[in-house]
Amino acid sequence: KNEVEQSPQNLTAQEGEFITINCSYSVGISALHWLQQHPGGGIVSLFMLSSGKKKHGRLIATINIQEKHSSLHITASHPRDSAVYICAVGGTSYGKLTFGQGTILTVHP
Amino acid sequence: NAGVTQTPKFQVLKTGQSMTLQCAQDMNHEYMSWYRQDPGMGLRLIHYSVGAGITDQGEVPNGYNVSRSTTEDFPLRLLSAAPSQTSVYFCATQGYNEQFFGPGTRLTVL
Repeated sequence: KNEVEQSPQNLTAQEGEFITINCSYSVGISALHWLQQHPGGGIVSLFMLSSGKKKHGRLIATINIQEKHSSLHITASHPRDSAVYICAVGGTSYGKLTFGQGTILTVHP
Repeated sequence: NAGVTQTPKFQVLKTGQSMTLQCAQDMNHEYMSWYRQDPGMGLRLIHYSVGAGITDQGEVPNGYNVSRSTTEDFPLRLLSAAPSQTSVYFCATQGYNEQFFGPGTRLTVL
């Protein structure tokens, strides 16, 4: 069973700050997902990556397969970025994910 | 496209009752999954399916049954509800480059 650890568990930032959330996993994977969950519950996929780096707007996700580590960066953070960010990893079956506990991000104006 | 739909949004059951949580998708995705989300536990996989007629257990399958007779539908059945099954349930599909989640069903078992 893959163990997925996220850090930090809670993160508070001021608007405009650069934010990094980390994810480490214990077993080799086929893909890693970053998800966002706002208060009220809906879950949205931000990235799926198996190597290198992806960028979408102010969000950047990187993965280091050898070190079994991924980071999610948010540049120029905004209060609307306040949400829970969840890392999930998948093995050989796409549908079978193991999740981290989530990082609660609060961005103050 | 509706994406992934779940019904009902909310449900209250008494211990011992049975019910089916519905999940449907219109994206023709092969992979579908059911998760439960509990405070302090994160999301955990209940059952998943890699295509019509094929299902497998996840991390917490006890007390739940699934079937996949069509690509579109993946219902989750609670056979005899218990208070420990109070949770928020999410259905999801796997597309080429992302997971698509339904809006969730909040279930309370009294």
